[in-house]
Amino acid sequence: EDQVTQSPEALRLQEGESSSLNCSYTVSGLRGLFWYRQDPGKGPEFLFTLYSAGEEKEKERLKATLTKKESFLHITAPKPEDSATYLCAVQATDSGNTPLVFGKGTRLSVIA
Amino acid sequence: DVKVTQSSRYLVKRTGEKVFLECVQDMDHENMFWYRQDPGLGLRLIYFSYDVKMKEKGDIPEGYSVSREKKERFSLILESASTNQTSMYLCASTPPGESVYEQYFGPGTRLTVT
Repeated sequence: EDQVTQSPEALRLQEGESSSLNCSYTVSGLRGLFWYRQDPGKGPEFLFTLYSAGEEKEKERLKATLTKKESFLHITAPKPEDSATYLCAVQATDSGNTPLVFGKGTRLSVIA
Repeated sequence: DVKVTQSSRYLVKRTGEKVFLECVQDMDHENMFWYRQDPGLGLRLIYFSYDVKMKEKGDIPEGYSVSREKKERFSLILESASTNQTSMYLCASTPPGESVYEQYFGPGTRLTVT
């Protein structure tokens, strides 16, 4: 069974204090790994897609990396507006357009 | 710009009522999904659809049904609402095909069943 585990469940950072969120996954074969940001009471907002080990993508203070077993979302010098829940999801290489499998998320709080 | 809309942001219904949650996307996407999201449980897939008139059960379809009469619209139906269906409901869509595509989510409907 495909599984996604995110850690930590919650993370509290001071403004400017860099850190990383982890997403470990178990799938028969990886078609893609996705990162989303979700603000309270809103739908998830797409951030990145990673396809293969060694790939990296960046957007402002966020950088996502991928290995064969896990992905990291690195947050450099975070600001209070980066506070949100970050979700990781994977799509397996089964035939057809299989649904994503989501982790439970990491709730990030950045304190000024 | 990609847009997925849901009919209500907040909804309060009574136990036993029939509830309709509507989702519309304007991107000509073929694939649409309904999730519920609860604290500590994350996103759980209820139903999805790859085309008009088609539907597939997700991980937790019990107590729900869906309707896809038009490509742009995917409805989630609670036949007889119960308090354990109080939740945030999220709709999403993706383009068709074998490639990898991110899901685009709507703003969510917070349903309370009393």
